[in-house]
Amino acid sequence: GAVVSQHPSWVICKSGTSVKIECRSLDFQATTMFWYRQFPKQSLMLMATSNEGSKATYEQGVEKDKFLINHASLTLSTLTVTSAHPEDSSFYICSALQMGTYSTDTQYFGPGTRLTVL
Amino acid sequence: AQRVTQPEKLLSVFKGAPVELKCNYSYSGSPELFWYVQYSRQRLQLLLRHISRESIKGFTADLNKGETSFHLKKPFAQEEDSAMYYCALGGANNLFFGTGTRLTVIP
Repeated sequence: GAVVSQHPSWVICKSGTSVKIECRSLDFQATTMFWYRQFPKQSLMLMATSNEGSKATYEQGVEKDKFLINHASLTLSTLTVTSAHPEDSSFYICSALQMGTYSTDTQYFGPGTRLTVL
Repeated sequence: AQRVTQPEKLLSVFKGAPVELKCNYSYSGSPELFWYVQYSRQRLQLLLRHISRESIKGFTADLNKGETSFHLKKPFAQEEDSAMYYCALGGANNLFFGTGTRLTVIP
């Protein structure tokens, strides 16, 4: 089946620094990838939709300048948390969309990245 | 506005007993509904989608537009079914997740 990886799996950083998280589709090409955020004991919240070769589409309330997304190739999307603060600490999950025949397009999820900002 | 409600945060059943995880939705238009599962220490993965009308691992889910529900059912729960289950609404490229139900199957 389709596999999506994320790197790193966890990261601890100091307040004010920037952190980059990578999301890769390992065995398929994905023109569309998604970034989610999950707070403890809460659901996944879509942050943005990343499209290869174009600007990402951000959900309402998500700061574009805070969460920079780059989808430079068909297998890689990156999320950079700029000037991270403790409130940015969370679990970030990416997914990649594998296109199928009608109604069988499927999102495959990465294992997530735990970000802790001190 | 779209909304997915999973009323039970926790659900425990005995092995061999029937299990039903509830999901209600609010959506203007024709919804696409999914169930995702997350086993311990594993990533989120698609379990089934309503369009496919299939049974996966013994689970089925029927879309009831009158009751705006998409409950997940299995007649005989197994220990390996213990996991976090999320109901999701929308298209494959625009998913909106419920808050999830943690199912524990007691041996």
